[in-house]
Amino acid sequence: EVQLLESGGGSVQPGGSLRLSCAASGFTFTNYAINWVRQAPGKGLEWVSGINGGGGRTFYPDSAKGRFTISRDNSRNTVYLQVNSLRVEDTAVYFCAKEYSSSSRGSFDIWGQGTMVTVSS
Amino acid sequence: QSALTQPASVSGSPGQSITISCTGTSRDVGGYNYVSWYQQHPGKAPKLLIYEVSNRPSGISHRFSGSKSGNTASLTISGLQAEDEADYYCNSYRSINGDTLVFGGGTKLTVL
Repeated sequence: EVQLLESGGGSVQPGGSLRLSCAASGFTFTNYAINWVRQAPGKGLEWVSGINGGGGRTFYPDSAKGRFTISRDNSRNTVYLQVNSLRVEDTAVYFCAKEYSSSSRGSFDIWGQGTMVTVSS
Repeated sequence: QSALTQPASVSGSPGQSITISCTGTSRDVGGYNYVSWYQQHPGKAPKLLIYEVSNRPSGISHRFSGSKSGNTASLTISGLQAEDEADYYCNSYRSINGDTLVFGGGTKLTVL
């Protein structure tokens, strides 16, 4: 079965850091880009980063540059999202999502169940 | 980074058809055929309905269709069913400061 499983969420104080993990199974991991998308409580979806299959190219919106770092370990079939200098407004469910094909852009056919990050003092 | 524009809500009766719009610019929706649509039920992960403007992944009902005209993409749901009540999101590739993606703000579909 093709699946993604996130972990690493939790409660953290403003200014803290977290590393989220996304473990993949059931498909040829190196063939696909993986992205992170977050959703604040009661709000819409927001794309926060992406990484290509080989791990050599990373992508971020302006809002995430400098604080978010995406990486992948293809030997472990895992993608990571390091988030530093956390702010209250980073509180959200963080989903990882797989691109539909090697040529698609933003077409995420497989999603994890999400991991909750709460930033509060 | 401004989101794509979607109506906040739409509604329809069972059996009817509805259309949800997604408006961007020539730097995203209008410039590339990389528009996707997602359905999200409460507490669940999003589900891919349409990719590359008008293509359906395997297993997605033919009741869902996508199109694009200029800077506006559209999702049409025909033969509305109660289980279609959900939030719907579009996204698009955007070429600003490199490769980026942007989502719409989301549309709540109510089946009356």
